[in-house]
Amino acid sequence: GAVVSQHPSWVICKSGTSVKIECRSLDFQATTMFWYRQFPKQSLMLMATSNEGSKATYEQGVEKDKFLINHASLTLSTLTVTSAHPEDSSFYICSALGLAGDEQYFGPGTRLTVT
Amino acid sequence: GDSVTQMEGPVTLSEEAFLTINCTYTATGYPSLFWYVQYPGEGLQLLLKATKADDKGSNKGFEATYRKETTSFHLEKGSVQVSDSAVYFCALSGEGGGNKLTFGTGTQLKVEL
Repeated sequence: GAVVSQHPSWVICKSGTSVKIECRSLDFQATTMFWYRQFPKQSLMLMATSNEGSKATYEQGVEKDKFLINHASLTLSTLTVTSAHPEDSSFYICSALGLAGDEQYFGPGTRLTVT
Repeated sequence: GDSVTQMEGPVTLSEEAFLTINCTYTATGYPSLFWYVQYPGEGLQLLLKATKADDKGSNKGFEATYRKETTSFHLEKGSVQVSDSAVYFCALSGEGGGNKLTFGTGTQLKVEL
């Protein structure tokens, strides 16, 4: 149980376009999901906390107008990278907070490459 | 702010060798401490955790003890297997942090026959 999926697993887009990444909790409902960004050989950096039915809470330094997060249902959160630039190329990982509220379950990640 | 420092990899060991991956942290109060493992092509999985000083987390032969006096949470395993090859992340969740995790940079472990 407690499986989280991400789609797509990898995506290549052109500079200036937008790309949407989906995060789904497959066998449980998650009122809270998290979005992380991981650079090569670096740790995961929390970008934002996504709460179902309300606005996401962004970490300091993360542009909320660039990284749009929508948590429209208890099993789905989406991250849209708007007007993507090559520096947005990264590995994006989501997690969902389990029902007990004490453990995060992670998706496999999405590799974004902006050309 | 909170931070986690873990030893750089990659670490290469022979099967049945003893493993230690060092992890130290900086945080106010009493954070919860975690080790996550990421196998190739998969998402991070919780390996073990400890929520208060002197607690020992253990799972699959791995152990880590929450040492408040040295602000450490070193990961150990007495005899590694090839199947333990993965990237290991130390992380903390600060007091009142709303379950937000702060991660170390990860340590890649490669176990050879």
